[in-house]
Amino acid sequence: AQSVSQHNHHVILSEAASLELGCNYSYGGTVNLFWYVQYPGQHLQLLLKYFSGDPLVKGIKGFEAEFIKSKFSFNLRKPSVQWSDTAEYFCAVNSGGGADGLTFGKGTHLIIQP
Amino acid sequence: DTGVSQNPRHKITKRGQNVTFRCDPISEHNRLYWYRQTLGQGPEFLTYFQNEAQLEKSRLLSDRFSAERPKGSFSTLEIQRTEQGDSAMYLCASSLVGGQTGYEQYFGPGTRLTVT
Repeated sequence: AQSVSQHNHHVILSEAASLELGCNYSYGGTVNLFWYVQYPGQHLQLLLKYFSGDPLVKGIKGFEAEFIKSKFSFNLRKPSVQWSDTAEYFCAVNSGGGADGLTFGKGTHLIIQP
Repeated sequence: DTGVSQNPRHKITKRGQNVTFRCDPISEHNRLYWYRQTLGQGPEFLTYFQNEAQLEKSRLLSDRFSAERPKGSFSTLEIQRTEQGDSAMYLCASSLVGGQTGYEQYFGPGTRLTVT
């Protein structure tokens, strides 16, 4: 069975600080990795995804993530956060062709202070 | 808005009652997923459909939960004999498998169920 662990449940940063949110997964086979974001009062939306190829993937709004297979990790990064990045961030994984149900982590609540 | 829609947005019911939620996916999407999210947790996958075929239902929480997608378009999730532990947000998502979107799942706003 798959599982996803997000290390930080609450993160508070000041604007312009750099961000790294940790995500580790547990699964022995081929995985597809995702980061979703939920802004206050809005739906879950996809930030970025990794299926294959270049392990450094870039997403929307300046976010990027690096897949490190040997560490079973897919950490999310942003060099300079903005107040509008305040949201809940979820790491998720599925297997196979990428069309199966997702296994999510518990999420990280990010607060950016102006 | 042509995204995923869910109705109702909120449902309050008494323990023991049956409830049904509806999800309308993005029109050309062939896969439809149901998730449950409780406070402080990420979404938990329940079941999914490819067109009208239910491909996975072993993750449904109990035999009180059932889902249908009779014509391969909208879907319903029914919970029979609700219990207080069923109180949660129920999310629907859809995706186009076989297209060029890379199997991104688009989520709806959810239905918040409160069982009293």
